[in-house]
Amino acid sequence: QSVLTQPPSVSAAPGQKVTITCSGSSSNIGDNDVSWYQHLPGTAPKLLIYDNNERPSGIPDRFSGSKSGTSATLGITGLQTGDEAAYYCGTWDSSLSIAVFGGGTKLTVL
Amino acid sequence: QVQLQESGPGLVKASETLSLTCTVSLYSIRSGYYWGWIRQPPGKGLEWIGSIYRGGNTFDNPSLKSRVTISVDTSKNQFSLRLTSVTAADTAVYYCARQKGTTGKFDYWGQGALVTVSS
Repeated sequence: QSVLTQPPSVSAAPGQKVTITCSGSSSNIGDNDVSWYQHLPGTAPKLLIYDNNERPSGIPDRFSGSKSGTSATLGITGLQTGDEAAYYCGTWDSSLSIAVFGGGTKLTVL
Repeated sequence: QVQLQESGPGLVKASETLSLTCTVSLYSIRSGYYWGWIRQPPGKGLEWIGSIYRGGNTFDNPSLKSRVTISVDTSKNQFSLRLTSVTAADTAVYYCARQKGTTGKFDYWGQGALVTVSS
């Protein structure tokens, strides 16, 4: 049981837009910045978004993030087959003093 | 570009100790940041194990019930994980990563090391 809650799966057609939600509480998302990761099988997770809505160098602007209260959202536009992966949200929990991740969302590009 | 590489045995017997080392290249651990361990059991999500700062201050996940020791060797630019009394539930891909302070931001990751616990 993950501290942060994500939908297990989402799907959309190529070229479309998808959003992935991450729900937490006042001690984690409500009190700290959120990061998002893309994880392809057999590879290292890749940082997509940090500080809720910032993209590291090299991450296309098709990926965006937002946060409101105790929830965060990852948006992906112009879906490509190469975007098929698991996506994880992560943050710090101030009460538990631990880093926490969501359970992951598997994106299928139909 | 910062590089991290995990190394260690891929097979550990149940009840024994899992030991992994992460070697960092192109960035000095002495320069700052936290350095963490994250794992992914087969078919499951990411789980943070713990992190260490250059001076040796550590945070670890209470869910692992004090079985975790994380240490740093700045002279070798390495940090290490020891997990005692392992069971099949500890079978996972173990990643090391650079962490920005006490946050959920891990910006550089190793490729991961599969560790299987055998009975």
